[in-house]
Amino acid sequence: KQEVTQIPAALSVPEGENLVLNCSFTDSAIYNLQWFRQDPGKGLTSLLLIQSSQREQTSGRLNASLDKSSGRSTLYIAASQPGDSATYLCAVRPEANNLFFGTGTRLTVIP
Amino acid sequence: DGGITQSPKYLFRKEGQNVTLSCEQNLNHDAMYWYRQDPGQGLRLIYYSQIVNDFQKGDIAEGYSVSREKKESFPLTVTSAQKNPTAFYLCASSIGQHSGNTIYFGEGSWLTVV
Repeated sequence: KQEVTQIPAALSVPEGENLVLNCSFTDSAIYNLQWFRQDPGKGLTSLLLIQSSQREQTSGRLNASLDKSSGRSTLYIAASQPGDSATYLCAVRPEANNLFFGTGTRLTVIP
Repeated sequence: DGGITQSPKYLFRKEGQNVTLSCEQNLNHDAMYWYRQDPGQGLRLIYYSQIVNDFQKGDIAEGYSVSREKKESFPLTVTSAQKNPTAFYLCASSIGQHSGNTIYFGEGSWLTVV
């Protein structure tokens, strides 16, 4: 069964730093990988979707990469801001009707 | 605005009661999903529906039931058979079952057993 791991579980950085969040998955047979943001007590907001045939996707200060063969994805956040503080979740889709989620990385950006 | 609306935001259930969580979407999406989120764990799929009048069990369907009588609505009933129902419940939808589609989430509902 697919397992998704996110390390570290929590991360604190000073404002302005660039940072990388990691996601690894055990089965490389996936259709896509999606990164989400979750604020405390809220639902998930989709940030980036990478299809299995793609290597990366970019949106503003965010860049997500995918190395399917090694079972890894990274989310790069440039010039971090306090408003970026949230939990970031990655999820892989091995089949059409389900996503397998990691437990998330809780990011705190210190002003 | 288009989106997914979950209600209520907070719900308290007594032992032995059934409760129903509402999920409505106006995105014209065919596929809808219910997930459960517990502290320190990833989201787990309870049920999903690809089309009206059809739904399938996910990984943790025991103690839950759903219906899909309308495209825009996918209510989740937490029955008394669910022994540990206290959790955060998230409804989601996507354009279809195609693997390439982004999935969108509602704001969630907190269920607590009292």
